[in-house]
Amino acid sequence: DTAVSQTPKYLVTQMGNDKSIKCEQNLGHDTMYWYKQDSKKFLKIMFSYNNKELIINETVPNRFSPKSPDKAHLNLHINSLELGDSAVYFCASSQGRISGYGDIQYFGAGTRLSVL
Amino acid sequence: GEDVEQSLFLSVREGDSSVINCTYTDSSSTYLYWYKQEPGAGLQLLTYIFSNMDMKQDQRLTVLLNKKDKHLSLRIADTQTGDSAIYFCAERYDTGGFKTIFGAGTRLFVKA
Repeated sequence: DTAVSQTPKYLVTQMGNDKSIKCEQNLGHDTMYWYKQDSKKFLKIMFSYNNKELIINETVPNRFSPKSPDKAHLNLHINSLELGDSAVYFCASSQGRISGYGDIQYFGAGTRLSVL
Repeated sequence: GEDVEQSLFLSVREGDSSVINCTYTDSSSTYLYWYKQEPGAGLQLLTYIFSNMDMKQDQRLTVLLNKKDKHLSLRIADTQTGDSAIYFCAERYDTGGFKTIFGAGTRLFVKA
């Protein structure tokens, strides 16, 4: 049973389209994250939610909108896709603020987005 | 602002020790981590150290923390070809949101 699962694994789309990536965790964690990893493998935090509440919102274009219907799910919707959005997007989860054990993050396998 | 830096590449021979280094800037770090990323996969935690510790050993892995110099290292003893991956250093600190910042990753190549 996969702890953090994200779908789809691959996403190929045209510029200007709108797409969504879904993430689910079955670890009972309170906090979930979206990261973007570019072609040089640099990993950058985009958003973080704690119990459905947005707690980190980095400088990300407002074409990106996260949604957390419950604490086990964090979806990412992207409007008007651009070439520069091509990257691997990782979802992660952790116990969050009250964790006394290092707040280890568990990552999904990634969604490889290619914008043509 | 906060920053985590690490060298981008390291190449070693199978059986040798690998040492991956990392420096960070924020002195209010609570935890420091080493994550491993294999091709086509997400990051996976290797080990972590609390900021009031100097050293942590876990089988082939040894983590050293020099808090004064804000320097973290990961030593892998008897490096195997299966250790070839990208290793990310990360620090967690309390900004009110317990943010974790990742370094750019060190690509470890192990030659047989």
